[in-house]
Amino acid sequence: DVKVTQSSRYLVKRTGEKVFLECVQDMDHENMFWYRQDPGLGLRLIYFSYDVKMKEKGDIPEGYSVSREKKERFSLILESASTNQTSMYLCASSLGRRWDYTFGSGTRLTVV
Amino acid sequence: GNSVTQMEGPVTLSEEAFLTINCTYTATGYPSLFWYVQYPGEGLQLLLKATKADDKGSNKGFEATYRKETTSFHLEKGSVQVSDSAVYFCALAGANSKLTFGKGITLSVRP
Repeated sequence: DVKVTQSSRYLVKRTGEKVFLECVQDMDHENMFWYRQDPGLGLRLIYFSYDVKMKEKGDIPEGYSVSREKKERFSLILESASTNQTSMYLCASSLGRRWDYTFGSGTRLTVV
Repeated sequence: GNSVTQMEGPVTLSEEAFLTINCTYTATGYPSLFWYVQYPGEGLQLLLKATKADDKGSNKGFEATYRKETTSFHLEKGSVQVSDSAVYFCALAGANSKLTFGKGITLSVRP
């Protein structure tokens, strides 16, 4: 089975800190995605990547950046964390033009 | 742009009750449609899909039919179980392998 592993299940950071959320997949998927999940808003796409060193903005990229130096790893970076970035962050990957994404278990980030 | 609208929740049912969760979409062209499920403490996983009009997706007793004329993809199950308690997301596939998700609906099933 494909696994998508997110490095932390829970994370607490202070306002203004630089935060790194890591995601690793083990099945050679080209596509990787970062979403945030908020009550009443569902899943919103932050950034995605179709290949190494490639990235594209999703629907809500402001305040975030990403890095994909290796195919299996896709990092989400909060340059200067703010309280409105408190959320559940979900990483996903997929193969080619397949729509059956594999999701990680999520990282619940709290910014205080 | 593409969008997915799900009925408001949460939904609470007794075990063995019939379930319908409504989903409608707005999209250009002919998108593929999906239902994803998120069990407590887990990430999302694909429940079922339909790639063209009149297709029926099914899995684990759940079904949904792609209705182009009403732009709908409602999820149904004839007899729900406690283990079906989860959050359900309707989604459509747009360009470049991107999925657009609805807001999700929480289903709680009482014994």
